[in-house]
Order: sequence, then C-alpha cells, then structure tokens
Amino acid sequence: DAGITQSPRHKVTETGTPVTLRCHQTENHRYMYWYRQDPGHGLRLIHYSYGVKDTDKGEVSDGYSVSRSKTEDFLLTLESATSSQTSVYFCATARGLGYGYTFGSGTRLTVV
Amino acid sequence: QQQVKQSPQSLIVQKGGIPIINCAYENTAFDYFPWYQQFPGKGPALLIAIRPDVSEKKEGRFTISFNKSAKQFSLHIMDSQPGDSATYFCAASSETSGSRLTFGEGTQLTVNP
Repeated sequence: DAGITQSPRHKVTETGTPVTLRCHQTENHRYMYWYRQDPGHGLRLIHYSYGVKDTDKGEVSDGYSVSRSKTEDFLLTLESATSSQTSVYFCATARGLGYGYTFGSGTRLTVV
Repeated sequence: QQQVKQSPQSLIVQKGGIPIINCAYENTAFDYFPWYQQFPGKGPALLIAIRPDVSEKKEGRFTISFNKSAKQFSLHIMDSQPGDSATYFCAASSETSGSRLTFGEGTQLTVNP
C-alpha cells in the first residue's frame, strides 16, 4: 500500500463536528472506494468513485459525503460526526473493474 | 443485507495444521471471489482470487476451493505458520453491479508455534 496514503492516521473528534479524511494515491487508478471496518461487520462500502467527479453511494452512505476533483485524491467527509461513526476507515483503489483492490493503511476515527 | 457469510469468526490451529475458512454467498451474479489478509494496524491485502470457471486455485500454500452449485468457496492454508496469524476476509463482486466488492465478516486466525 505504498502508493496509497491516508491522512490522518488517527483522529479524535467531538460529536457534531465535521471531519474530512483524505486518500491520496500515486497508482493512477481510476476506481476508488471508501470502506469502514467494524467488528462483526467486516468491511462495508460507504462511497465509491469511477473517475473524477463521478461518485456514488455504497451500502452505508448516510451521514457521509465524498468528493473527487483529481484522479489522485478521494475525500470522505462526515458532515456532523456521531458516535456510531467511530470506526476504522479504509480507502482502496483498483486499476480496473473486476480486479482486486489495493488498500491504504486506514484511519482510526473516534467520535466522543 | 449481508450477501456473503463467512465462518468461523475465529480459528486457532497448531503450526503445520490446515485451517479452513468458509464463505457462502446468495447472489448468483457474483463472478469474482478474492480473499484478503489483514495484519493488525494494516489495510487488507489481496491474497488470492478465483473466478467461477474453475473449481480450485493454488498459490503457494494458499488454495481456494469453489463450489458453484452450493454457492460456497473456501480458503485452505497448507502447512500453516505463526506468521499466517491474521484476519482473513472473503469477498465477492459481480460485473453487472459495477464489480464493487462485498466482504464477509472476517475470520481471526491464530497459528500457535
């Protein structure tokens, strides 16, 4: 995952505040994804992007928004953080449809 | 709706044993079945993947067995080592739904020395 950088790696924030997580890739992959990982739930898709300005919702998108203004950057925003959004967030990229994903190292977010 | 069910949640084996992790799926349109390995503090990494035109695939000590009629696939780790201790996720995707991966719940594997 050297080609995918997530920032910050750790963050503690208060309920009700907006939070933005960043995913930066140097792979020049067209496809990018945001997942959250929670015990007992595996990885669940929040939002995904098939290209610049081409984004769509995943299975757990409520309370989240994304933006992709450049191929290399995919931003995830929690509009008003809640305790249920405490999780580990992973960004992933793929070089094509039907190919495996490359994951970043994750961002551990705690909402207090 | 959970479309990929993974079992067991956790598994402990002795070095040299053959842990087996199973996954079952519902969506018959799924056409790509990867397995990911995740170490603590790291992101998941692609381990091995299979498509439904074959029933088995081997890469080193890792084997996927695929049963299309039963809608099940499994991961076998031959001659397991303590360094294989990790969390393993199965996943599935279909070209008709944009090839987005749906993951199982994960299996925490411990290989004792």
